[in-house]
Amino acid sequence: GENVEQHPSTLSVQEGDSAVIKCTYSDSASNYFPWYKQELGKRPQLIIDIRSNVGEKKDQRIAVTLNKTAKHFSLHITETQPEDSAVYFCAAAYTGFQKLVFGTGTRLLVSP
Amino acid sequence: DSGVTQTPKHLITATGQRVTLRCSPRSGDLSVYWYQQSLDQGLQFLIQYYNGEERAKGNILERFSAQQFPDLHSELNLSSLELGDSALYFCASSAPDRGFEIAGAGELFFGEGSRLTVL
Repeated sequence: GENVEQHPSTLSVQEGDSAVIKCTYSDSASNYFPWYKQELGKRPQLIIDIRSNVGEKKDQRIAVTLNKTAKHFSLHITETQPEDSAVYFCAAAYTGFQKLVFGTGTRLLVSP
Repeated sequence: DSGVTQTPKHLITATGQRVTLRCSPRSGDLSVYWYQQSLDQGLQFLIQYYNGEERAKGNILERFSAQQFPDLHSELNLSSLELGDSALYFCASSAPDRGFEIAGAGELFFGEGSRLTVL
């Protein structure tokens, strides 16, 4: 069945450093890969997404890369700030309907 | 504010009981999704509806059921509750015009969640 693996489960960085979170999906037919940020006690919110016809997408300090051959995608955050501290979830959507399967999440802590 | 409304926000009940969680999607959204988030856990996909019809099912227990009504609101029914059912239940909706059958999924807008505590 559909499965999304996410690593690491926790990530601690110093303010200004870069952070990278990696995900692997199981179904080669997956075509949509969003990233959601969930702050403590809040709802998940989309921060960036990428479709299978694109290899990389960037939005200010955030970028996502996709390697369809290896079936993995990554989130890159540069110049991290304390407000980036949150849990980040990757997800993959499967062809035919909008079923989004989420990874297990990465707790990012950015220390001042 | 995402535009997705979930009620109740908090619910405390006993084992063996039954509860109903309600979700109103964003105006115009036809798809509704239910996710379960246990403490320090990820988002487990339960079920998805599109314009009143079930579209996809995840790891939803037989004790759980859901439906989407003609006015597009959805209800998640949890019965014979167990301690392990304690979790945050999220509803999300998405827009109808993404051409999802062709182009794939789009952004999900999550509600604030319903926190269920089973004692």
